[in-house]
Formats: sequence, C-alpha cells, structure tokens
Amino acid sequence: DQQVKQNSPSLSVQEGRISILNCDYTNSMFDYFLWYKKYPAEGPTFLISISSIKDKNEDGRFTVFLNKSAKHLSLHIVPSQPGDSAVYFCAASWSGNTGKLIFGQGTTLQVKP
Amino acid sequence: DADVTQTPRNRITKTGKRIMLECSQTKGHDRMYWYRQDPGLGLRLIYYSFDVKDINKGEISDGYSVSRQAQAKFSLSLESAIPNQTALYFCATSDTTSNYGYTFGSGTRLTVV
Repeated sequence: DQQVKQNSPSLSVQEGRISILNCDYTNSMFDYFLWYKKYPAEGPTFLISISSIKDKNEDGRFTVFLNKSAKHLSLHIVPSQPGDSAVYFCAASWSGNTGKLIFGQGTTLQVKP
Repeated sequence: DADVTQTPRNRITKTGKRIMLECSQTKGHDRMYWYRQDPGLGLRLIYYSFDVKDINKGEISDGYSVSRQAQAKFSLSLESAIPNQTALYFCATSDTTSNYGYTFGSGTRLTVV
C-alpha cells in the first residue's frame, strides 16, 4: 500500500521554464511533508518542507504547495536550471509516527539547456 | 569527512552469503535509519533506531537484521543474501528537533548474484 505516490516517473523541462512535480498521499494523519533531491551516486538531500498548518512554503526558486483537501502537494521550481536535473522524492510523516518518513517513488527531472 | 559514511560503496555477493553494510555518522544524532531504493518503488524503510537500546522494524525488515553498536554506528546485515535484495541501500540519521529532516549517506549498491 503506497501511502505516498508520485505518479510521474519522469519530467522534462526546458531551462528557464517552470518545473512542477506532483505528489499525492492517502494517509490523512500526515502533518509534515518534505522534498528531497538526489543526484546519481549520492544520497538524497533535503530540499524544502511544509507543515500541514500551511498551504505554501517558499525558498528561493523552490516553492511547495499543499492542498490538504485533495491530499496533494506539488513542488514548483522557477526558473528551472540544468543543475536541477535529479531525482526528486516526496516524503511525509506525522507526529504519531515519531519521525519516520514515508517516501514516494521519485520523479526524475531533466532540465534541458 | 562526510556526515554519514557508508561502507562499502559497492558490493557483489553470491546468493546465500552473509553480508554486512556499515554506517557511521558524525552528526551526534540519536536516530538512525536504513532504507533501500528500488526502481519504481522509491525508498522503503528496513529498520530504524532511536537510540542505542531501541531497534525497530520498518516496512520491509524480513531477511535483514541490524546492530546499533554505538550512537554513531548502525550496521545492516543480510544473513543469507538472495537476488531480490539487489538494491541501493541508504543509511540516514536525524535528530529529534529537525522537523524530520534526514541526513543520508551516499549509499551502498549491493548486487546479489
């Protein structure tokens, strides 16, 4: 049972345009959401997060939007750069889960120059 | 030195062999985790430990065991390796106040033939 789903395995975007990565979840108990970025031969690194009390969090070129009623979050990258090409994982947790993260399948983003 | 170090980086082993993957961290965190990454399945939790005396099974612990030798060290063992344990394995650490942000190691690519 996949509680966190990233239904798009891959996404290709032109440099300078917006990249939108999507994530859906099924567990209404989740109250904290994170995005991780992973380059080949490296471990995932934390990118941005959002608490369920917010619907938007912004950090530079990266913005995460949360729609609790739809159990959906998205990561927007504007403008996209070739260095953003990586695998992006959505993750979720809840306070009763004592810090364990549940990850999605990942989406591979390719930003073309 | 990296915050989270995994050894070995790559390993090929035969079916039925016992193998240990090691992880050490310099973050001073109490919490450590082992995940495996498979194509199309994302990162799945194998085992986690919230302190030296606290070991817990994750969602896919069958066929694996762990040892928390010290706050900084958390090893994962495959008692009798099988081909479907071929995967990329990640160790991660977190503290109790980082809003669930993990620091990952660079991974161990394990192939069971």
